[in-house]
Amino acid sequence: AQTVTQSQPEMSVQEAETVTLSCTYDTSESDYYLFWYKQPPSRQMILVIRQEAYKQQNATENRFSVNFQKAAKSFSLKISDSQLGDAAMYFCAYRRGFGNEKLTFGTGTRLTIIP
Amino acid sequence: EAQVTQNPRYLITVTGKKLTVTCSQNMNHEYMSWYRQDPGLGLRQIYYSMNVEVTDKGDVPEGYKVSRKEKRNFPLILESPSPNQTSLYFCASSFQGANADYGYTFGSGTRLTVV
Repeated sequence: AQTVTQSQPEMSVQEAETVTLSCTYDTSESDYYLFWYKQPPSRQMILVIRQEAYKQQNATENRFSVNFQKAAKSFSLKISDSQLGDAAMYFCAYRRGFGNEKLTFGTGTRLTIIP
Repeated sequence: EAQVTQNPRYLITVTGKKLTVTCSQNMNHEYMSWYRQDPGLGLRQIYYSMNVEVTDKGDVPEGYKVSRKEKRNFPLILESPSPNQTSLYFCASSFQGANADYGYTFGSGTRLTVV
């Protein structure tokens, strides 16, 4: 079974600084997708960024980027120029390729932004 | 607006009193799923549905029922709720198929307390 591990239950960063959240996963599949979701206090689940395993290029969305290391099964999220609105719980998630739509989540990292 | 609508947002009930949490999506998604979120455990899948009249168990199905009589609706039923079902529940949906982006659209969550 696929597993997703987030080893940092809590992280904090100074406003305007950069922070990296870690995620590792375990799978024997070659075709899969990885996601980072943000859950602010409103508890809404918001997709931050996604990465297709077959793409070597790391995904980027504005201030958010990933470091995808397929051989190491690592998928970290980098947030640049941290803002107060980035404070949230962040979940890493894995989804096998076509034909299996289940998302497997990590346990989450709570990110605090220090003004 | 494309969305997944869950109701109610908050619910307090007593042990053994049957309840239903409704979920509806307006994106014509084939795939729908229920998750529960608990501290330190992340989100875990309860049940999912690949299409109308097609449902299957996720990782934690005990004590829950679902039905999918229409494509847009996927209610979660607790026939005899117990305190260990106190949790935050999410409904989610997505397209299936080779061109799907594999991201979920989540509802806004239902905070259930069973006393």
